[in-house]
Amino acid sequence: EIVMTQSPATLSVSPGERATLSCRASQSVSSSLAWYQQKPGQAPRLLIYGASTRATGIPARFSGSGSGTEFSLTISSLQSEDFAVYYCQQYSQWPLYTFGQGTKLEIK
Amino acid sequence: EVQLVESGGGLVQPGGSLRLSCAASGFTFSSHAMHWVRQAPGKGLEYVSAISNNGGSTYFANSVKGRFTISRDNSKNTLYLQMGSLRAEDMAVYYCARVVYDSSGYFLDYWGQGTLVTVSS
Repeated sequence: EIVMTQSPATLSVSPGERATLSCRASQSVSSSLAWYQQKPGQAPRLLIYGASTRATGIPARFSGSGSGTEFSLTISSLQSEDFAVYYCQQYSQWPLYTFGQGTKLEIK
Repeated sequence: EVQLVESGGGLVQPGGSLRLSCAASGFTFSSHAMHWVRQAPGKGLEYVSAISNNGGSTYFANSVKGRFTISRDNSKNTLYLQMGSLRAEDMAVYYCARVVYDSSGYFLDYWGQGTLVTVSS
């Protein structure tokens, strides 16, 4: 099983500032990496797939990068609606997809 | 518009059974593999089970193998998860999710709102 590790667990950032979230895989997943946003009481929402491709309707302030074992999600200018929990997920090993433990992005 | 609506959750005693359903609309259900993913209260996301588009192949996490079965009825656009021998650690919100493909592989794009399964005596 591929273990996904996210850091930090909690990130405090002010609105308008930039946030960078990290995700590391225990072995290479190539570019088979997705990022999801989850707000309280809601389902996860796909933000990024293929490590760097924005899903339909996702604002350009969200960007993903990386390949192999190191990945990052950057939100260029935080809006109030961006404060949520973010998960990375590898889909390199069908169907045993594994998720990181999440990064909570909170308002500073 | 793609919609996935789960139902069937509720309170069940340890050792009991429950069947979850996921009604799909807004896309050609029979063209997509599907997943069940769960989230224990205050915890992260965990893969539970997957099924191919025609139901011919099924997959399970080790934690539920032998206790859960997954199936689908493409004529009704519905996905199912039959859960048996339920344990306290199975308590979670259960989400169904659609699988799509691109050059990077098969990933989950749309998720339902989830249904809560509570296991308690």
